[in-house]
Amino acid sequence: DAKTTQPPSMDCAEGRAANLPCNHSTISGNEYVYWYRQIHSQGPQYIIHGLKNNETNEMASLIITEDRKSSTLILPHATLRDTAVYYCIVRDLTGNQFYFGTGTSLTVIP
Amino acid sequence: DAGVTQSPTHLIKTRGQHVTLRCSPISGHKSVSWYQQVLGQGPQFIFQYYEKEERGRGNFPDRFSARQFPNYSSELNVNALLLGDSALYLCASSLGFLTDTQYFGPGTRLTVL
Repeated sequence: DAKTTQPPSMDCAEGRAANLPCNHSTISGNEYVYWYRQIHSQGPQYIIHGLKNNETNEMASLIITEDRKSSTLILPHATLRDTAVYYCIVRDLTGNQFYFGTGTSLTVIP
Repeated sequence: DAGVTQSPTHLIKTRGQHVTLRCSPISGHKSVSWYQQVLGQGPQFIFQYYEKEERGRGNFPDRFSARQFPNYSSELNVNALLLGDSALYLCASSLGFLTDTQYFGPGTRLTVL
């Protein structure tokens, strides 16, 4: 079962930072938070993941709260190509199985 | 480097038929997982295979089966197709089993008429 809650949709102006929130209040101490995005009818694309510390890569930054009950994905300078559905996933470590929710549909506006 | 590849890209079948979907993982990856994504929903986990053994199974009927070959490629089989099986079927590969990031292929769009 999906263990995350995300807003169904968000808008962001092109060139501005997009901040996508995710609640995962039942997360266990050894469970990772993963973010993927899916552009219409394509396979999900891996963005970033983390356990406790904040993480940054060439695509995005991931901010995880100290109690680990929520996180925020930050796209620092959103472009039109960032329009997609963004999924926040808590990975079940009993098996490498990803449980997707319905995600956040991000629309970047020119 | 080649990513995860899936074939065919699109497929149309009629109710009651059988279908086989194929997946080739990223070179060096030993684990393959299958997901079903119906329109408007997130992907749902079907199976995971690692080193040719089933390591996980989602809540899908026995009409769904899969296998992994010695070269780590995989097939998903669905028997007695129903209209509700119409979906995008996604394959994902990872290096190992428990702790590795999954990388998804483009999917196979199955339409059951």
